Amino acid sequence: GESVGLHLPTLSVQEGDNSIINCAYSNSASDYFIWYKQESGKGPQFIIDIRSNMDKRQGQRVTVLLNKTVKHLSLQIAATQPGDSAVYFCAENMGGANSKLTFGKGITLSVRP
Amino acid sequence: GAGVSQSPRYKVAKRGQDVALRCDPISGHVSLFWYQQALGQGPEFLTYFQNEAQLDKSGLPSDRFFAERPEGSVSTLKIQRTQQEDSAVYLCASSTTSGQYFGPGTRLLVL
Repeated sequence: GESVGLHLPTLSVQEGDNSIINCAYSNSASDYFIWYKQESGKGPQFIIDIRSNMDKRQGQRVTVLLNKTVKHLSLQIAATQPGDSAVYFCAENMGGANSKLTFGKGITLSVRP
Repeated sequence: GAGVSQSPRYKVAKRGQDVALRCDPISGHVSLFWYQQALGQGPEFLTYFQNEAQLDKSGLPSDRFFAERPEGSVSTLKIQRTQQEDSAVYLCASSTTSGQYFGPGTRLLVL
């Protein structure tokens, strides 16, 4: 069936290092992908999105890479900070921000001081 | 500007009780979504509104779940005769073409 999943349940990184969080998706018809960050007791916070006609998009300290050939999405966080500690979700849909999202199970990023 | 707000933030209900969860979307956002998030899982889609029209309710788990957005702004998710498996965080999101933005959620615990 269609699914969005993450390879690793947890990721521990040293403060100041770069983090890479990976996600696989199975619906080849998906054309919009988003990364969310969720802190305990809060709703998912939008980080960055990318459309299927792009393979890379950069934000402030974050980069999203999309490889449609192998249906793989990654989030790179530069110079990881303690405030980056959270659960990260990738999500996908067909139709952009105004369509329902399918989320993966989430990966916990833990930043060591 | 103000983000998506939800109330109450926490709700404890006895099994069989009806509950109503409120969502105030970002002003001007036409699209509104409800999601259910079980502990340790990603959010799962429940229903979608475009203005006051409920265009997709395919994710509602049973006929005990009902959502409305009568004036195209505030939305209410109602759960009738709550059951223990309804315990979850209920998230509301509103969107424009620039992204889908979530509220803090209502944590529902059914005893």
